[in-house]
Amino acid sequence: EDQVTQSPEALRLQEGESSSLNCSYTVSGLRGLFWYRQDPGKGPEFLFTLYSAGEEKEKERLKATLTKKESFLHITAPKPEDSATYLCAVQAPGGSYIPTFGRGTSLIVHP
Amino acid sequence: DTGVSQDPRHKITKRGQNVTFRCDPISEHNRLYWYRQTLGQGPEFLTYFQNEAQLEKSRLLSDRFSAERPKGSFSTLEIQRTEQGDSAMYLCASSLAGAVNQPQHFGDGTRLSIL
Repeated sequence: EDQVTQSPEALRLQEGESSSLNCSYTVSGLRGLFWYRQDPGKGPEFLFTLYSAGEEKEKERLKATLTKKESFLHITAPKPEDSATYLCAVQAPGGSYIPTFGRGTSLIVHP
Repeated sequence: DTGVSQDPRHKITKRGQNVTFRCDPISEHNRLYWYRQTLGQGPEFLTYFQNEAQLEKSRLLSDRFSAERPKGSFSTLEIQRTEQGDSAMYLCASSLAGAVNQPQHFGDGTRLSIL
């Protein structure tokens, strides 16, 4: 069965301290990998879709990269407003369009 | 684009009662999904519609759960004879048909608490 593992479970950073979140997956082929941001009490907010190894996407302080077995979400010089849970989801080939979500990484950025 | 709307935002009920949630997707989206999320977990898939047809249901969806999407617009999720374990955030998402890797856009969910 497809699996998505995110690490670390929780991450505390000082404002300006860059770091990376990891999403590793085991699927027999990948149709797409999605990153979402989720604030407490809210639904996930779409950030990026990555389709193939070597692809990169950027938005403000966030940069997502993809290899054949994992994706990284790099956060450069984070600010307190970047504090949230970051979720990764993978979409496998086959008839279903349903992505499988990881448990997320809870990020807290201290001022 | 007014986003995905869910109602109510919070529901508190006694064990054994029936509850119904509503989801209004983004207007041009013809795919609609229901997920359940508990604390510290990612969203877990429950069921999926394309237009009015319910195409897939998770093994998590017991016979106490039923979902409808009449006329392919809004959707309802009903839970009958609620149990303590049903306490969770119920999320709705919608996406465009076409390319299979279209991202899902989520509502802010309905938080269900069973007393």
